[in-house]
Amino acid sequence: DTGVSQNPRHKITKRGQNVTFRCDPISEHNRLYWYRQTLGQGPEFLTYFQNEAQLEKSRLLSDRFSAERPKGSFSTLEIQRTEQGDSAMYLCASSLDVSDGYTFGSGTRLTVV
Amino acid sequence: DAKTTQPPSMDCAEGRAANLPCNHSTISGNEYVYWYRQIHSQGPQYIIHGLKNNETNEMASLIITEDRKSSTLILPHATLRDTAVYYCIVRVNTGTASKLTFGTGTRLQVTL
Repeated sequence: DTGVSQNPRHKITKRGQNVTFRCDPISEHNRLYWYRQTLGQGPEFLTYFQNEAQLEKSRLLSDRFSAERPKGSFSTLEIQRTEQGDSAMYLCASSLDVSDGYTFGSGTRLTVV
Repeated sequence: DAKTTQPPSMDCAEGRAANLPCNHSTISGNEYVYWYRQIHSQGPQYIIHGLKNNETNEMASLIITEDRKSSTLILPHATLRDTAVYYCIVRVNTGTASKLTFGTGTRLQVTL
């Protein structure tokens, strides 16, 4: 197992375009989390899945953001009509049990120009 | 989840112990203390967590005061590769618990 994998590593897009990121968690982990991190700040929680169910969403997740985990394995995060304020590192993490430490991926850095 | 307070930055000489403090004076009885670190341009890395007893693993030791209002992460022999931002987080571990709430952490600089 190579850990949590995120693709792409970098994405540059024009304002108004849609983007989609993918996260492949550690295979036996049923919990999956998305975070966003801007420069100089700690990661901010976006959403959480247990298996395929999306159990919690932050108010940061506006209606332009949607996340899915259709078969309880990989997950996608889509941003529609991107804005410059969406520029950030998008991090995915997974864990097996609620008490476990999370394993984070290396993130997808989004730049909206 | 209870809030935490950490110094914004610390320095440590290579080979010496790095002691990173964290205050969590409003911690509840069922909240755990977690430590993560983030090396530049990488995702955060889990280090250790505990409830009330001191904990040790291959990376670090976690010392939690008896009243649980503060804790210290100890890296016993810091190396240059330990230069990172260290986050102290408190969180319940109930069945539906989800998010970790990160603050701005402590930026540890290990120097020669």
